[in-house]
Amino acid sequence: DAKTTQPTSMDCAEGRAANLPCNHSTISGNEYVYWYRQIHSQGPQYIIHGLKNNETNEMASLIITEDRKSSTLILPHATLRDTAVYYCIVRASDNTDKLIFGTGTRLQVFP
Amino acid sequence: DGGITQSPKYLFRKEGQNVTLSCEQNLNHDAMYWYRQDPGQGLRLIYYSQIVNDFQKGDIAEGYSVSREKKESFPLTVTSAQKNPTAFYLCASSIQAPGLAFYNEQFFGPGTRLTVL
Repeated sequence: DAKTTQPTSMDCAEGRAANLPCNHSTISGNEYVYWYRQIHSQGPQYIIHGLKNNETNEMASLIITEDRKSSTLILPHATLRDTAVYYCIVRASDNTDKLIFGTGTRLQVFP
Repeated sequence: DGGITQSPKYLFRKEGQNVTLSCEQNLNHDAMYWYRQDPGQGLRLIYYSQIVNDFQKGDIAEGYSVSREKKESFPLTVTSAQKNPTAFYLCASSIQAPGLAFYNEQFFGPGTRLTVL
């Protein structure tokens, strides 16, 4: 699996967009980008995934650069409940091995 | 409602005692996983199972044991051989469908916080 690099922490004002970056410069052509988040003392929660096109669901949008070496998770209107650690993972869909969760980005949404 | 349940939420044990953590899912998922998380750290894989009656060691299996007698259940035993068992334990499951993107979507339980005194 390609290694990912994320900032350790970020702040965002409530109601504003939160843009969380992830670098994955060694990503292979068959590897997807997945995002999970973990609210304090809870299990991680799947957010979104993508291959090369931008994706949007009810939780977030995922923007992947054309060269696929980086991506950005966008929470369009952050709320206090979005305060969590966000994990970016890249992985091939036929990889039967484990998911590797790094230390992620700790997003703090403030009033 | 479909989901994963873990019990209990908090567990206290004396040093030297074995303890078993429960994990049950009704999502009809083939694959199940156990992770350990220490404060400020990411998740580390202990054991995983892709099918009933089969399981594989993860990165930190020493001092732990599992069984997978039923598709719905994947209990984890923390033995007295585990040198530092106090941690947050998370169970997860996923569809066993390599080749499909959603294969990597793991569903997590609420976790069990184990404290060994």
